[in-house]
Amino acid sequence: DAGVIQSPRHEVTEMGQEVTLRCKPISGHNSLFWYRQTMMRGLELLIYFNNNVPIDDSGMPEDRFSAKMPNASFSTLKIQPSEPRDSAVYFCASSTSGNTIYFGEGSWLTVV
Amino acid sequence: TQLLEQSPQFLSIQEGENLTVYCNSSSVFSSLQWYRQEPGEGPVLLVTVVTGGEVKKLKRLTFQFGDARKDSSLHITAAQPGDTGLYLCAGEGDSSYKLIFGSGTRLLVRP
Repeated sequence: DAGVIQSPRHEVTEMGQEVTLRCKPISGHNSLFWYRQTMMRGLELLIYFNNNVPIDDSGMPEDRFSAKMPNASFSTLKIQPSEPRDSAVYFCASSTSGNTIYFGEGSWLTVV
Repeated sequence: TQLLEQSPQFLSIQEGENLTVYCNSSSVFSSLQWYRQEPGEGPVLLVTVVTGGEVKKLKRLTFQFGDARKDSSLHITAAQPGDTGLYLCAGEGDSSYKLIFGSGTRLLVRP
């Protein structure tokens, strides 16, 4: 079975550019999470969707970050405009409510 | 604010040695999970402990949840190079979906 699929795996972009990260959750999972991992702050929850509806976006750093889930099989995390401090690994994860969370392989973002 | 502190931050040991990783908090958690993350990949769940004092074994890995549900430990017996990775503990926060992750212990097992 395919796991959580993220794209791109790596992205290098210039400060001020728009970045869009994509995620396909595991089929049948109704919960989707976006996490950010940095050396300084570890793994942090950015936003949580349940049945395609954003339930908790309190971890989204600021208005430059937005996330959507138009259907059960696709989600995006957008950063506009990007800044060097946004450089991190962004993970998408999915689960069925209350059960094991499965992480994707991550999108490594570098903003220069 | 619920925080989880892990120690040690880094650990480099020889194959065959034993080790223990600690995860501590001043807060009570309803459950605690341990993950292993290998380079270039996402975290993978190893175990979930729910009951205070609970001990779970996964081959050479032994996980314990503190009686007060504020701390946990992971003990690896006879470590192997395949055990190399970042070990993360995570507690269930105020909401069941919200995991609070520790800062991680980076383990290197040298052949």
